[in-house]
Amino acid sequence: DVKVTQSSRYLVKRTGEKVFLECVQDMDHENMFWYRQDPGLGLRLIYFSYDVKMKEKGDIPEGYSVSREKKERFSLILESASTNQTSMYLCASSPRVGQPQHFGDGTRLSIL
Amino acid sequence: GQNIDQPTEMTATEGAIVQINCTYQTSGFNGLFWYQQHAGEAPTFLSYNVLDGLEEKGRFSSFLSRSKGYSYLLLKELQMKDSASYLCAVLLRGAGSYQLTFGKGTKLSVIP
Repeated sequence: DVKVTQSSRYLVKRTGEKVFLECVQDMDHENMFWYRQDPGLGLRLIYFSYDVKMKEKGDIPEGYSVSREKKERFSLILESASTNQTSMYLCASSPRVGQPQHFGDGTRLSIL
Repeated sequence: GQNIDQPTEMTATEGAIVQINCTYQTSGFNGLFWYQQHAGEAPTFLSYNVLDGLEEKGRFSSFLSRSKGYSYLLLKELQMKDSASYLCAVLLRGAGSYQLTFGKGTKLSVIP
C-alpha cells in the first residue's frame, strides 16, 4: 500500500512565523501535490511537482512556496504565516499523470 | 474559468440506491475522478472515467458523458459506513502540465 506521511497532524503557529509542512511518500511516485481544504470551498491546489527540483503553481500559490530536493519528499513553506492560512493541508502523490492520487492524513494548521 | 458543480448535501436510507451528480464546464478535459472522504480522514480513490460510459466496481459505479460535461457516482445497497463526502475531480490539461481540480464535495448521510 502507498504510504503518504505528513509530519504533523495538528500544528499551531503565530502570525509572521515561517512554517514548514513536510510530506514523504514511500512508493517512488513522480508527482506530488499540496492542497488546502476549507469548509464550503473544497480542495484547492497550492503547488505541485512532477520531478525533483521542479515545481508548478496551482490555483492558490500566493503566500506559499515549495521545495522538492528528493523524490520522496515535498515540503510546503508558509513564508510569513497569516490567519487566513489557517486550514487543513493535504499532501498527495501519484505515479504518473492521470493515475489516482494518494493522500496523506492531513495537517490541521492554526495560525494565531 | 473552470467550474465543477455537485450537490452540497444528500440524505439516503440504508439499503437504498443513491446517485450523486457532477457537472463540469472546463477546457482541457482529460478524465474525471471520484474520491470518498470520511470526516477527519484523507480522501481515498473510488473511480476514474476517461471515456464515455459506465465503470462498475462492486457496489459503486461511475458514469461519464463528455459531450454533456456530466458524471455521476452510483452507490447501491447503501450502508451506514457510506456516510461520507464524495468529491468529483476533473483532470485538466493546461500549458504543458496537468492539474486535478476538485468540486466542493457532496456530503452524504445514510440514515437507518
